[in-house]
Amino acid sequence: NAGVTQTPKFQVLKTGQSMTLQCAQDMNHNSMYWYRQDPGMGLRLIYYSASEGTTDKGEVPNGYNVSRLNKREFSLRLESAAPSQTSVYFCASEGTGTGVSGYTFGSGTRLTVV
Amino acid sequence: AQSVAQPEDQVNVAEGNPLTVKCTYSVSGNPYLFWYVQYPNRGLQFLLKYITGDNLVKGSYGFEAEFNKSQTSFHLKKPSALVSDSALYFCAVRDGDYKLSFGAGTTVTVRA
Repeated sequence: NAGVTQTPKFQVLKTGQSMTLQCAQDMNHNSMYWYRQDPGMGLRLIYYSASEGTTDKGEVPNGYNVSRLNKREFSLRLESAAPSQTSVYFCASEGTGTGVSGYTFGSGTRLTVV
Repeated sequence: AQSVAQPEDQVNVAEGNPLTVKCTYSVSGNPYLFWYVQYPNRGLQFLLKYITGDNLVKGSYGFEAEFNKSQTSFHLKKPSALVSDSALYFCAVRDGDYKLSFGAGTTVTVRA
């Protein structure tokens, strides 16, 4: 099925460890996003990529890096995980050029940093 | 800066009764407004959007939303709620660039 695929679905890290969250979409969308979801705070934008080859910081970029590998893939890297990064991470994508269509979200990665 | 507020953390209704989830927004230009729903352990699903045109927007699963420019509101409504509508609902706004700003979310519980 077409959509946004995130891996892994669950991950437990020790403080200081690194990891990369993967995201891929097969809808030929230009824009891709990484959000984190924390209770009572809604979704907060970490980084986004308006098109292949470009990335920009969102609301809460500290402690994260991203790579827009190609049009399909947009990865999020935690270089040195901290307990404050315990969260649920969502990747999303949106097509552009045909009006405002809204985001398509992946199913999320639940990350725990101990 | 753009933002949305969802003033109610929780909404509880009986099945068959009308459901309203409130949202107010703040943008510098013309707003693009969205509603999303999240079921447990799932990603967010698009419900409906307002870009321009009619103030009453119809979306998925029988939901609709009313855009009110003077009150800067975009409330989500359903005439007759179902138990299966129990979920977390998010309002979101965009004012021209690509980024959506989300509200904190409202948990809807529909009791049988």
